[in-house]
Amino acid sequence: NAGVTQTPKFQVLKTGQSMTLQCAQDMNHNSMYWYRQDPGMGLRLIYYSASEGTTDKGEVPNGYNVSRLNKREFSLRLESAAPSQTSVYFCASSPRTGPDTQYFGPGTRLTVL
Amino acid sequence: GENVEQHPSTLSVQEGDSAVIKCTYSDSASNYFPWYKQELGKRPQLIIDIRSNVGEKKDQRIAVTLNKTAKHFSLHITETQPEDSAVYFCAAFNSGGSNYKLTFGKGTLLTVNP
Repeated sequence: NAGVTQTPKFQVLKTGQSMTLQCAQDMNHNSMYWYRQDPGMGLRLIYYSASEGTTDKGEVPNGYNVSRLNKREFSLRLESAAPSQTSVYFCASSPRTGPDTQYFGPGTRLTVL
Repeated sequence: GENVEQHPSTLSVQEGDSAVIKCTYSDSASNYFPWYKQELGKRPQLIIDIRSNVGEKKDQRIAVTLNKTAKHFSLHITETQPEDSAVYFCAAFNSGGSNYKLTFGKGTLLTVNP
């Protein structure tokens, strides 16, 4: 049982490049989330998927898109990366749509030059 | 939307002392309040949570209290140890309307000095 996995662990992009961050969970959880973490800012929700087939914007969705590919996988895409998107990105999942523990992945450290 | 304020931003204690971190929230519809611990370079992990129908919850050296009227909740760590050093985040879960999401505070860096 690997829990929540994310790829890649590290990535450096140039301004304007695109990339997709991958996230998968093997716990049969319904809900999945993408957060970004910046120094002094805590964890801010980018997008979430309350259940398979649905996605919703969080607090900071601009510049990002998501796909809930199936129940296991939830990807985050940066279409045209900007230096302001330099951050650590965490994926998380929770068993149900309601208030419940969220389990985090190991994170992806992204630098945009 | 929900707004969660967390204080202090940094806290330094001596080993064996107690540590208290406080959070306030703005939306009275929030009904679930977890606390996460994040060690340097690691992922956040849940350490304790409390639901809105409970005033206090304890797990060994860790306790959380909730005051719904005042809209604040606190984390209490007793007999601190060096391995308690980490960043702690409070959060509030709001399931109003069609939204189901956690709003996090900005974190408290706790340092326990041996």
